Amino acid sequence: GNSVTQMEGPVTLSEEAFLTINCTYTATGYPSLFWYVQYPGEGLQLLLKATKADDKGSNKGFEATYRKETTSFHLEKGSVQVSDSAVYFCALSDLPSGTYKYIFGTGTRLKVLA
Amino acid sequence: DADVTQTPRNRITKTGKRIMLECSQTKGHDRMYWYRQDPGLGLQLIYYSFDVKDINKGEISDGYSVSRQAQAKFSLSLESAIPNQTALYFCATSDLNTDTQYFGPGTRLTVL
Repeated sequence: GNSVTQMEGPVTLSEEAFLTINCTYTATGYPSLFWYVQYPGEGLQLLLKATKADDKGSNKGFEATYRKETTSFHLEKGSVQVSDSAVYFCALSDLPSGTYKYIFGTGTRLKVLA
Repeated sequence: DADVTQTPRNRITKTGKRIMLECSQTKGHDRMYWYRQDPGLGLQLIYYSFDVKDINKGEISDGYSVSRQAQAKFSLSLESAIPNQTALYFCATSDLNTDTQYFGPGTRLTVL
């Protein structure tokens, strides 16, 4: 079945450091891929998405590229801020195949120190 | 006003009690979901509904039931709560056109 694997946290960085959070997936169809972010005490919210191979999603300085050949969707940011401290979830949806469900990774906690 | 609301936000109850968590949305989406979040396990799907007459079990439906009272309302019930149901519960809707999920703020449930 479909699955998402993302790197375990926590990840602790200094402000302005480069961020990479790895995410790989297994899917039988052609999924859309997402990164969601969860700030303390809140629900998840969409950060960025990509719907087909080689698409790049971007938002708020974060980027991720849909790599079908490596089945990956790694999240990157060139210079993190304290306000980026949150839990990040990689997810896929297999809507085109009719599964209609979303699969989430286990989440990676990011802590950015001033 | 928030698009997806959940009540209550926090609840402490005792083993064996019946609990209902409620979710309402103003986004006009047909699809609604209930998830459970446990530390280190990410989000696990409990139930999902594609319209008022279509309700489906997710990965961990045992011990839970749901009711879709209207397009805007989707309730989750624990018929007889047990301590390992202590978790954070999220309701979500999804937009078929953009394939994006929208989450409520969550309900923190503690079963003693």
